[in-house]
Amino acid sequence: DGGITQSPKYLFRKEGQNVTLSCEQNLNHDAMYWYRQDPGQGLRLIYYSQIVNDFQKGDIAEGYSVSREKKESFPLTVTSAQKNPTAFYLCASRLGSEQFFGPGTRLTVL
Amino acid sequence: KQEVTQIPAALSVPEGENLVLNCSFTDSAIYNLQWFRQDPGKGLTSLLLIQSSQREQTSGRLNASLDKSSGRSTLYIAASQPGDSATYLCAVRPRNQGGKLIFGQGTELSVKP
Repeated sequence: DGGITQSPKYLFRKEGQNVTLSCEQNLNHDAMYWYRQDPGQGLRLIYYSQIVNDFQKGDIAEGYSVSREKKESFPLTVTSAQKNPTAFYLCASRLGSEQFFGPGTRLTVL
Repeated sequence: KQEVTQIPAALSVPEGENLVLNCSFTDSAIYNLQWFRQDPGKGLTSLLLIQSSQREQTSGRLNASLDKSSGRSTLYIAASQPGDSATYLCAVRPRNQGGKLIFGQGTELSVKP
């Protein structure tokens, strides 16, 4: 089946720890995106990558980092510098005009 | 700066009603507008995509319209069903910004049997 997978589904982190969220796609899409969703709010863009080995900051990149070493993979690291990391994180990829989303990872900082 | 607003924030209707969800945006320089559905705790499912040159798109009981000049889009759901209960999000793709989407806050729809 073609699609976007995110793991884990739930993630718990202690304050001061870095944590990496996985996003993999087998759709052969060039562009990939990371969004954050807070309760009752729309999604906000963290980082995006239009091609392998290249990525750009989105609207709320502070405290996050990414890499794009392979076309299929776009992992997101939430660092200890992110002041309020508890949120629902969604990864997406794009073919032409349309974006497709993964199932999300819910991160909770204890 | 592009801003997207969805009204109402929540809507409850009895089964069988036709309904309209509204989305407005402040900058008409967009490539397209996309409507999504989100079930609780899940990712987003794309419902309809309207290119900036188009006026509307239809899929089954769903019809989305776009009036770029006035910065408005509507999602019309015909003969609503309890299975339509979800949050509906609209998002615009601004021109020359790497394909990013800017989202509204969503309308939470509840269809009562």
